[in-house]
Order: sequence, then structure tokens, then C-alpha cells
Amino acid sequence: AQSVTQPDIHITVSEGASLELRCNYSYGATPYLFWYVQSPGQGLQLLLKYFSGDTLVQGIKGFEAEFKRSQSSFNLRKPSVHWSDAAEYFCAVGASGTYKYIFGTGTRLKVLA
Amino acid sequence: DTGVSQNPRHKITKRGQNVTFRCDPISEHNRLYWYRQTLGQGPEFLTYFQNEAQLEKSRLLSDRFSAERPKGSFSTLEIQRTEQGDSAMYLCASKTPDRIDTQYFGPGTRLTVL
Repeated sequence: AQSVTQPDIHITVSEGASLELRCNYSYGATPYLFWYVQSPGQGLQLLLKYFSGDTLVQGIKGFEAEFKRSQSSFNLRKPSVHWSDAAEYFCAVGASGTYKYIFGTGTRLKVLA
Repeated sequence: DTGVSQNPRHKITKRGQNVTFRCDPISEHNRLYWYRQTLGQGPEFLTYFQNEAQLEKSRLLSDRFSAERPKGSFSTLEIQRTEQGDSAMYLCASKTPDRIDTQYFGPGTRLTVL
């Protein structure tokens, strides 16, 4: 069955520090992978996506993610976190055909000033 | 492009009442999705429309839930005889048929069942 695991429920980093959020997926075929961010009371905003090609993808707000097929991972990174990055981050895999998304449980990021 | 809109944004109801939510997708998007998000969880897929046809329903969608998309435009999600466990954020998303296009999410409708 298709699934997404985000092992870290909460992460706290200091402003200016680097960030890595983990995502592991289970999917039989080549996955479509996404990272979304959700601020309190807000909708989901797409940060970046992977469909094929270059395994290192760049997104908005200085985020990037690397697809590693051998590890079934799609980790999100940012070299220097800003206080405004505090939010909840969701990794998702898109099913072929319907393209419905299967989301992880999310990682809540707290940024210390 | 005004984005995906959802109404109402908040709904408080008493247990046993019926509620209906509306989603207006981006105009050229023929695919429409409903998800449910409970506190501390990621969104969970409920159902999917391609134009007016409902092509997939999750087992989460009990017989108290019904969704429609008449004429392939806006969609409604109705919950009958609401239960406290229905309290959640209901998200709508739409996309084009293009395989590599992403889903665009609306702001959601937050339902509280008392």
C-alpha cells in the first residue's frame, strides 16, 4: 500500500541554522513527490515537487529536496532558516491515474530567535 | 485566476444536524478532490471527481457523506447526521488533466460538531 512517513513530529531550530525534514515513502512505481507548507489557519502551499529527471529539486522560499530512490526518501532542506518558516510541513506522494495525494502526518517546525 | 475557494470557512453545528460545504475550483481544472484533515494529522483523501463523474471514494467516506459535482464545475460535500468525530478541516483541491500539474488547495472549511 502507498504510504508516507515523516518520522519527526516536531523540530526546533535556531534562526539561521540549517534544516532537514525527513520523508520516506512506500510506492510501487515511480513516485510523484511533493512538499507542502501550512501556516496556522492557512491552506496548503506547494513548496516543491518531483516528477522525474534531476533528483535535486529547487522550490520556493529557498527550499530544496533530494529524491533518493535507493532510500525511498525525499528530504526537504534549507541552508538558513528564517523565523517566518515556522509552520507545519507535509510530504505527499501522488498516485498515478487519479493523482490523489497521500500525505504524511506532518512535521511542525519551531524557529527560535 | 482567483484560486480555489471554499465556503463557508467555518461551520459550527450540533450533533445530528446536516451540513453542506461548497468548493469552487479553478475554472479550467477538470479534476477536483476532497480531503479531510484532523488535528495533528495530514490531509486524508476522501473523494475525486473528473468533470462531473465521481471516480473514486475512500472508505473514510461513510454513507453519511455524499459529494456531487453537477455540470463539472463547483462541488458540494454533504454530511448527514453529523457526529463529533466529523469535526475536522475539509479541504478541496483542483488540478488540470496534465500529469505533471499539481493540485491547488483551497483554504478549507473547518467543521466543529458540538
